[in-house]
Amino acid sequence: SAVISQKPSRDICQRGTSLTIQCQVDSQVTMMFWYRQQPGQSLTLIATANQGSEATYESGFVIDKFPISRPNLTFSTLTVSNMSPEDSSIYLCSVEERVWGAGELFFGEGSRLTVL
Amino acid sequence: TQLLEQSPQFLSIQEGENLTVYCNSSSVFSSLQWYRQEPGEGPVLLVTVVTGGEVKKLKRLTFQFGDARKDSSLHITAAQPGDTGLYLCAGARGNTPLVFGKGTRLSVIA
Repeated sequence: SAVISQKPSRDICQRGTSLTIQCQVDSQVTMMFWYRQQPGQSLTLIATANQGSEATYESGFVIDKFPISRPNLTFSTLTVSNMSPEDSSIYLCSVEERVWGAGELFFGEGSRLTVL
Repeated sequence: TQLLEQSPQFLSIQEGENLTVYCNSSSVFSSLQWYRQEPGEGPVLLVTVVTGGEVKKLKRLTFQFGDARKDSSLHITAAQPGDTGLYLCAGARGNTPLVFGKGTRLSVIA
């Protein structure tokens, strides 16, 4: 099973600033996923990060707001740009492993951002 | 519109009690998963169910997938404080991303 490390684990940010979250995986993976978990809400997929190509964003999320880098098969970053209090959330990095056709998601411990 | 509805949203019970958490949808899923998330951690997979009517047991946890593959339940017998956490169901439909429910936050009091 994949082991995923995220940093920072938490941060308090000022409105209008940007913050980059790092995600490191202990094995090479093709796709990495970035999720947002807002208080009282379900996990929402922001984008899928593919090595060597542009990230694929889900409806409601745009590259200008959430730029993603994927420089190699074990690392990715998500930047939350021009933050507002509505961006206060837990951001989770994830990878998928497939066994017998069913995929299992492995998550990092999450990065809890509070925007003042 | 939430594709997967979980109920109850919050549950607080005494140690030793039994409980059931539900995950319902109007959509059919090829498989359904249950994850548990503890504070400060990412979700961890508990089980995957893929066949309509399937029942899986994991120690004191029993998972059931509805016959029509639209709903699932998680039953915990003799709950313990270590069961405390956020329980999330997630449905898979083909190659589309997993859809997560809002979760059931369980608190088991010793």
